[in-house]
Amino acid sequence: GNSVTQMEGPVTLSEEAFLTINCTYTATGYPSLFWYVQYPGEGLQLLLKATKADDKGSNKGFEATYRKETTSFHLEKGSVQVSDSAVYFCALTPKSNYQLIWGAGTKLIIKP
Amino acid sequence: NAGVMQNPRHLVRRRGQEARLRCSPMKGHSHVYWYRQLPEEGLKFMVYLQKENIIDESGMPKERFSAEFPKEGPSILRIQQVVRGDSAAYFCASSPVGSTNEKLFFGSGTQLSVL
Repeated sequence: GNSVTQMEGPVTLSEEAFLTINCTYTATGYPSLFWYVQYPGEGLQLLLKATKADDKGSNKGFEATYRKETTSFHLEKGSVQVSDSAVYFCALTPKSNYQLIWGAGTKLIIKP
Repeated sequence: NAGVMQNPRHLVRRRGQEARLRCSPMKGHSHVYWYRQLPEEGLKFMVYLQKENIIDESGMPKERFSAEFPKEGPSILRIQQVVRGDSAAYFCASSPVGSTNEKLFFGSGTQLSVL
């Protein structure tokens, strides 16, 4: 079946540190991969996505590369800010399907 | 253009009571999806609705849970005779087109606590 596993949180970093949040998946076929973010008190927002192997999604300084050989979609940012504090969710959807399969979320805390 | 509005933000019910969760999609969106997030788990798909139609309820528990999206008004997720295991965050998403998550917008969720 389809599943997503992401690193447990909370992840606590200092401002300007390098960020990696790991995400691995199992899926039949070639799913699309997503990162969503939920800032405190707000709804889930699509952060970035990739729809095929070796694609790199990027937005707001965040990047993630679709690695089919390692079935991974790790989220990275070179220099985090306090405003990046949020919960980050990795998700996938099988091709031709609208149902999102989600990881459990990783809470990120950035200290000034 | 207001985003997806869910209310209430927090809902407390005693075992056996009914819970009604509301979701107003974004203006112009006619497709609504409900997801549930149990503690320490990822979101799980529950149901996909269009106006006056249930398209896919494969993720909905067979008993006590129902959903509707009437021609006028918000989408309602209804849980009858709640039990402690129903305590979770319930998220609603809407999109202007169906069968895709490419243009999904999510609400802030309703946190249901069953005492």
